[in-house]
Amino acid sequence: GAVVSQHPSWVICKSGTSVKIECRSLDFQATTMFWYRQFPKQSLMLMATSNEGSKATYEQGVEKDKFLINHASLTLSTLTVTSAHPEDSSFYICSAREPGQGYEQYFGPGTRLTVT
Amino acid sequence: KQEVTQIPAALSVPEGENLVLNCSFTDSAIYNLQWFRQDPGKGLTSLLLIQSSQREQTSGRLNASLDKSSGRSTLYIAASQPGDSATYLCAPTDGTASKLTFGTGTRLQVTL
Repeated sequence: GAVVSQHPSWVICKSGTSVKIECRSLDFQATTMFWYRQFPKQSLMLMATSNEGSKATYEQGVEKDKFLINHASLTLSTLTVTSAHPEDSSFYICSAREPGQGYEQYFGPGTRLTVT
Repeated sequence: KQEVTQIPAALSVPEGENLVLNCSFTDSAIYNLQWFRQDPGKGLTSLLLIQSSQREQTSGRLNASLDKSSGRSTLYIAASQPGDSATYLCAPTDGTASKLTFGTGTRLQVTL
């Protein structure tokens, strides 16, 4: 089956610094990738949709200047949390969609971000 | 705006029982619907994908049904095992096949 990886699996950073999270589709080309955020005991909330070679589309209430998304290739999308604050601490999960496969989304294992 | 509700929020059953998890959604104009499993602190594992034109899908001990017009889907788990303990999420995809909306999940515990 289709495999999506994320790196790092967890990261701790200090308030005010930036953190980059990578999402890779390992065995398929993903024209579209998605970034979600999950707070404890809550469900996943879509943050943005990224299409290879174009700007990401952000959901309402998500600051595009704070959460920078780059989808430079068909197998890699990155999410950079800029000037992180403790309230940005969350579980970030990406997914990738394989074209022509019923639009099923395959999810990465997630990245736990803790901002101190 | 799509809203997804899952009932029950939590469920504890003894091993071997058959069980049904329910999912309802407010906007029936969906492209497909996926059921996922999430273990604590982990990502999502896709269990089943049902296209909007389908009524059900089966994979091993799992069977998912879809009644698109009434905005409902159910996940049936047969002969439950302790390894089935996890949170189960349903997520319909919108009509343009671009966005998943997740329910709050059903936290399942299967006891010995």
